[in-house]
Formats: sequence, C-alpha cells, structure tokens
Amino acid sequence: DTGVSQNPRHKITKRGQNVTFRCDPISEHNRLYWYRQTLGQGPEFLTYFQNEAQLEKSRLLSDRFSAERPKGSFSTLEIQRTEQGDSAMYLCATDGSGGDGYTFGSGTRLTVV
Amino acid sequence: QKEVEQNSGPLSVPEGAIASLNCTYSDRVSQSFFWYRQYSGKSPELIMSIYSNGDKEDGRFTAQLNKASQYVSLLIRDSQPSDSATYLCAVRGTGANNLFFGTGTRLTVIP
Repeated sequence: DTGVSQNPRHKITKRGQNVTFRCDPISEHNRLYWYRQTLGQGPEFLTYFQNEAQLEKSRLLSDRFSAERPKGSFSTLEIQRTEQGDSAMYLCATDGSGGDGYTFGSGTRLTVV
Repeated sequence: QKEVEQNSGPLSVPEGAIASLNCTYSDRVSQSFFWYRQYSGKSPELIMSIYSNGDKEDGRFTAQLNKASQYVSLLIRDSQPSDSATYLCAVRGTGANNLFFGTGTRLTVIP
C-alpha cells in the first residue's frame, strides 16, 4: 500500500467517451501532481495542485483535460471526448512541504478503443 | 533538448556485479535530484534523493551528483535479480515543484 490511492486501476473506453479518474492523497501531503506515462517513456507532467489551488498546467493538458481538487483533499482528472492517443497510464503523486520526492499511486491504465 | 536524458539501455549485469546508471540534465540551477525504480506494470518508487555535490549512500545504493557537469548517477552494488527494473532519473526544475523525468534505463540482473 503506497498511501496514495487511485481509482479505477484500469479503464477501457470507446473513443469519444468521457472518463474520470480519482486520486486520494496521503492525508498530510498538501501537494498533488498528475502525470501521464506511455510505454517506454518516463512520466510526463500534466498538472499540480497545492491544497485546492491548481498552480501549474503543462501544455500537454489540452482543453479536453480538466483536473480539480475540491477542498484540497482528493483530486479528479477528467478527459472529455477521448482519443486513442490518450491511452496511457495516468499517475497521481503527492508530497509534503519538505519536498523530498513524490509518493506515487498505483496509477490508472486507460485504454481507448 | 530534453530536460533529463538517460541511456535507455537495456543494461545487463551479472548477479553480484555493480550496475551503473547515468543521467544528465539541462537546467544548470536545478537543486533536487531523485532516482525512482519502476517494475514492469507498476508505478515508480522513490529509492534515492540527492541535493549536494558528492556521494550519498543508502545500503547497496549510491547516488552521485556533479552539478558542474550536470550529471547524476546511481550505483547498485551486489546487484540482485530483484533489482531488475527500469530506473528513472528525476530533476526538480528551477522555481518549480514538479519533477522532470528521464525516459528511464532498463536494468536486467542475470542470475
């Protein structure tokens, strides 16, 4: 148990459908990050929250992607009108104010068919 | 130019040998450096962090940092088959909290 919980673990969806993923962080961690990882690549940064504020978004985060972190607790990442290129592992990570590296969740593997 | 560069490998070493993994980064003023291990189908797991020039040892792992050369390395002594994984180098950018990751080096330890 890594302490960061992600749901669902796997998601298969048809192209054009909307999907939503959830991340529950370690309770004392106020910083939360979303990354995307495709086969053979390292994780790519998508967006970052400090408490409930979304402080940074990558240019990879197109207007079909939206992320929220209401009340600074769990976070959701929604992808609208999914495309086959969205197939990837979506990773949530958190860290505290000490900043000594992330703790990753187990990830959500998305397959768009 | 990519922010963080790693040799993708694969790197194969015999059991008991030293595995050496290398990483270079482009942002000269980066201050925080991390090594993650990722088993196939799993999420990355933090194994080492290093912030100052020199060596940092933790068990069989040693991280080495040379900021002048913008170079970070990870040495794994007495390599075990259970060390077979992809090793990701990550760098915290200037004025940012997010980490930039390399593409990872796949290590295979041969029994």
